[in-house]
Formats: sequence, C-alpha cells, structure tokens
Amino acid sequence: SQQGEEDPQALSIQEGENATMNCSYKTSINNLQWYRQNSGRGLVHLILIRSNEREKHSGRLRVTLDTSKKSSSLLITASRAADTASYFCATGMTTDSWGKLQFGAGTQVVVTP
Amino acid sequence: DTEVTQTPKHLVMGMTNKKSLKCEQHMGHRAMYWYKQKAKKPPELMFVYSYEKLSINESVPSRFSPECPNSSLLNLHLHALQPEDSALYLCASSQLGISGNTIYFGEGSWLTVV
Repeated sequence: SQQGEEDPQALSIQEGENATMNCSYKTSINNLQWYRQNSGRGLVHLILIRSNEREKHSGRLRVTLDTSKKSSSLLITASRAADTASYFCATGMTTDSWGKLQFGAGTQVVVTP
Repeated sequence: DTEVTQTPKHLVMGMTNKKSLKCEQHMGHRAMYWYKQKAKKPPELMFVYSYEKLSINESVPSRFSPECPNSSLLNLHLHALQPEDSALYLCASSQLGISGNTIYFGEGSWLTVV
C-alpha cells in the first residue's frame, strides 16, 4: 500500500504565485524525497530530507519535515510555467536497507502564464 | 553526471513477442531498480538489484524477467505480456543499500502491449 498521501491532488496557480503541497506518511522513515515528473517523462529528483532534518532549501524550493506529525511540505516560490508537472513525495523507511521508496499519489500542478 | 539511460523510449509489442528493456548508469551505483507506472498513478517498485544480485522481487509475474549483467546495466526481459502490462517502465539507481541516498530515475520506456 502507498506510504504517502499527498494533498492537494491538483493545484492551479498563476505565474509568480507560490505553490504548496503536503505529504503525509504512516510509518517511521529514514528520509523523504520529492520528485517532479513532467507529462510522459521520467522522475527528476528535487530534494532529499533526512529524518533528523527539519527544513531544506534548493533554489526556489523549500521542504519541511515534521516527523512528529509524519508530514512534509514542498513549497515552490515564484512559480513559472515550466513548473507545471506532477510532484511526488517518496519515503524511505527505517526498516528497509535496500533503498526502497514508497510513493505518494502525487500532486498535479498547473502554472498558467 | 547523474544520468540513468533507458532504451527504447517507446516499445509496442504483441502478446506473443519477446522483447527487452535496457537501462544503463555510470555513476558507480550498486543498487538498481525497476519501477512500473500506470497513467496518473505513482510508480510501483518491481525489482531491486544490489551488487548485481536480485534482492527484492515485489511479487512480479514471471512474464517479467530482470537481469543485471554487470554493475552498470539492468535489463527487463518481457515475454507473453498482457495488455494491462502497458505502462511506463522506469529504471533507477542509487548508492547501495543505505537508506537515505538519492535515487535517480531514467526517462522511462513506454510499453504498449497489443
């Protein structure tokens, strides 16, 4: 079963606005990774945050992790049309040593010019 | 160079055909993965290889047969597939076995079974 659930399922914003999406998970994790997938393409890795970290930044991306609430958020600031994509969170569990990822259902983001 | 290369990008095959999907990485990663993704769904893990040995098979039907000829290559042999096997097949790689390493994905191979 899926480890992560994402909210919202879909998000439509205008260029320049911020986009926030949330991910919740069920069991203890070692890390949480965020990926972007353009329509029909492969997954592009955005950020990895470890269970002992609370916040990470990469360019216009900000990820937070709250292990007490078993949740993470991805913020994209000053969005661009090129940010239109599906965004997935994926968790690596503490019980796993093989690098297995459990993916959330994804958030589909549309940025209109 | 964080790149996982998959070929072919698109494949159409009949239910009696035998075909293969190929994946290559030159990042020195010793863990490689096959994922399957249906439209508008998240990727689902199929197989994990570590040090060229099959470590995890997520109860995948035997019509899918993985092979890891060396540390850089991963194949997925396909035989007697069904139309419902049509999907995007994603290969990925990472540093071995230490949960918490970035997993890098290829662009995928679109498979259509007719």
